[in-house]
Amino acid sequence: DGGITQSPKYLFRKEGQNVTLSCEQNLNHDAMYWYRQDPGQGLRLIYYSQIVNDFQKGDIAEGYSVSREKKESFPLTVTSAQKNPTAFYLCASSMIGGNSPLHFGNGTRLTVT
Amino acid sequence: DQQVKQNSPSLSVQEGRISILNCDYTNSMFDYFLWYKKYPAEGPTFLISISSIKDKNEDGRFTVFLNKSAKHLSLHIVPSQPGDSAVYFCAASTLNTGFQKLVFGTGTRLLVSP
Repeated sequence: DGGITQSPKYLFRKEGQNVTLSCEQNLNHDAMYWYRQDPGQGLRLIYYSQIVNDFQKGDIAEGYSVSREKKESFPLTVTSAQKNPTAFYLCASSMIGGNSPLHFGNGTRLTVT
Repeated sequence: DQQVKQNSPSLSVQEGRISILNCDYTNSMFDYFLWYKKYPAEGPTFLISISSIKDKNEDGRFTVFLNKSAKHLSLHIVPSQPGDSAVYFCAASTLNTGFQKLVFGTGTRLLVSP
C-alpha cells in the first residue's frame, strides 16, 4: 500500500533543542514538500525538493533545515532559531509535470515548551 | 498577502442539501486549482481539481466551478452527507514550471448534520 509516513505523530521538545521530523514515501514521487499548519491559517510551504540532493526554500523557511539524500526521504529539522515552532507539520509528495496532486502524510504535531 | 482566500471559516448544512464552499484568489497567474478535504489530526486528501481552461469539473457528488474573470471558484457538494463534515482547503498554483507550488486558503469547516 503506497503512501507517506510521518513519524512520530506527536512530539514534545524543550525550547532551545533542535528536533527532526521524519517523512518517508513509497509512491516513487520525485517531489517532496513540507508544510506547516497553524490554527485558523492555511498550509504554508516551508521547503520543497524536486530531486535528490536539491531543495528550495518555501515561504517560511527561516529556522528550518532539510535534506534529500534519498528519493524516499525528506526529513525536516526544526532548529532553535525557529521562533514559533509549535505547530502541525505536514509532509507531501507529488509527481513532477502535469497536474499531479499532492499526497499528504498524516502529520506530526510538535509542541515546544 | 493572502493570495487565496476562503472568507467563510465555517458552514453548516443539513444532510441531503447542497453545500457550497467559496474561494477567491488574487494572483491572475494561477492556472490550476484544487480542493482538499481534511479531517482532524490527519493530512489533507485531494478531492477535485480544475485547470484554468475549464469552467467546471465534476466528480460524483463534487463539482468545482471556476470564474476566471471574478477570480473565484466554488465547490458544490450534492447531496451533502454527514461524512463530508471536515475542513475544506482551496489551493492554487501555476504550472508554467511543470511543478506545483501550491498556495492554500485558510480553510472552511463544513458541518453536515443528520
